[in-house]
Amino acid sequence: EPEVTQTPSHQVTQMGQEVILRCVPISNHLYFYWYRQILGQKVEFLVSFYNNEISEKSEIFDDQFSVERPDGSNFTLKIRSTKLEDSAMYFCASSIRGYTFGSGTRLTVV
Amino acid sequence: QRVTQPEKLLSVFKGAPVELKCNYSYSGSPELFWYVQYSRQRLQLLLRHISRESIKGFTADLNKGETSFHLKKPFAQEEDSAMYYCALSDGYGNKLVFGAGTILRVKS
Repeated sequence: EPEVTQTPSHQVTQMGQEVILRCVPISNHLYFYWYRQILGQKVEFLVSFYNNEISEKSEIFDDQFSVERPDGSNFTLKIRSTKLEDSAMYFCASSIRGYTFGSGTRLTVV
Repeated sequence: QRVTQPEKLLSVFKGAPVELKCNYSYSGSPELFWYVQYSRQRLQLLLRHISRESIKGFTADLNKGETSFHLKKPFAQEEDSAMYYCALSDGYGNKLVFGAGTILRVKS
């Protein structure tokens, strides 16, 4: 069964540093998403991406966040200047009819 | 759009019936899902209401009158212990809105 692949599985970064989280969606899927889950809290939507542009974003997805599909296969989430409160599990997902999630990247900001 | 899962934790004995509650608020015709997450691993699709299938013995029926999509299993097993999320989508390709999740603990 095809999978959504996320790398790295765990990233530790200093506050103020930039991080890039990477995802390889399922190849024939058309819609791509990022969600996050702060420890002990629910899964929150960040952004959706279709036809090479953002189709929807949440209030969380402010100017420090950006997404890109640089080469037609990878889908990246960049956090420009990380804050302590960005520490969370970040899930990528892709969709054509149903939604398939990756295994997540645990981001720890210290 | 909102999804409410009123129970943070549901603890049952092995072999007992399970019902995980989910209520939603949405004025149109949403698509409803149940996802399961084992030990902070990836979210795995358990059920979607349009497919009307049973996975691992779980079923869920969409009740539009009560705006509910409760997850049921007649006989719980220890391997069912996990976090369960109810989620809603308001259209093809649109985002999922998740409930807060319910931890199911099945005791032997």
